Amino acid sequence: QKEVEQDPGPLSVPEGAIVSLNCTYSNSAFQYFMWYRQYSRKGPELLMYTYSSGNKEDGRFTAQVDKSSKYISLFIRDSQPSDSATYLCAMTSGTYKYIFGTGTRLKVLA
Amino acid sequence: SQTIHQWPATLVQPVGSPLSLECTVEGTSNPNLYWYRQAAGRGLQLLFYSVGIGQISSEVPQNLSASRPQDRQFILSSKKLLLSDSGFYLCAWTPMVGGADGELFFGEGSRLTVL
Repeated sequence: QKEVEQDPGPLSVPEGAIVSLNCTYSNSAFQYFMWYRQYSRKGPELLMYTYSSGNKEDGRFTAQVDKSSKYISLFIRDSQPSDSATYLCAMTSGTYKYIFGTGTRLKVLA
Repeated sequence: SQTIHQWPATLVQPVGSPLSLECTVEGTSNPNLYWYRQAAGRGLQLLFYSVGIGQISSEVPQNLSASRPQDRQFILSSKKLLLSDSGFYLCAWTPMVGGADGELFFGEGSRLTVL
């Protein structure tokens, strides 16, 4: 079993839709969680960083962590074509090892 | 503000040739530095990390090596490239000293094709 599972997609949604991206994990030691956006042929860009259960909001993005279920989510409101990218989840227990999901490809259709 | 620079952005190298990818971080001191490789559909693989000058930890034994000659400089090298070394290489850093629970920031990446 992989430490982090993420649906590869692709996920296609119409412009303006609410997007839900998810990752599950198996290691209860993970305490710090991140979401990245990666455009084609570019490095990942950090979108959200959280370290506690609950929600964290930043503009159109909301990160949700449920440590009891070992489940994290990223919600994108009012999705735009410019949101079309691959979204990676990542987590760490506080060591130097960050574990990444394989990424979900998102397409927002105009 | 902190920035990370990585170069070259793209390179095509013959099998058996040497490799040198360079990464520098600006606007911070004593960063933890990382080299990752990203393969399509396989996520990010940690290759090396460094907590200080001359301190390198290798995660995966392979044809590559890393060096940190200065506090904010991280270099990925190979003496003889293999076809399997092709991929997208990413340098990253965290601002924490002595720990790794900070945000991890990536460079723009270097795409290597070995022919």
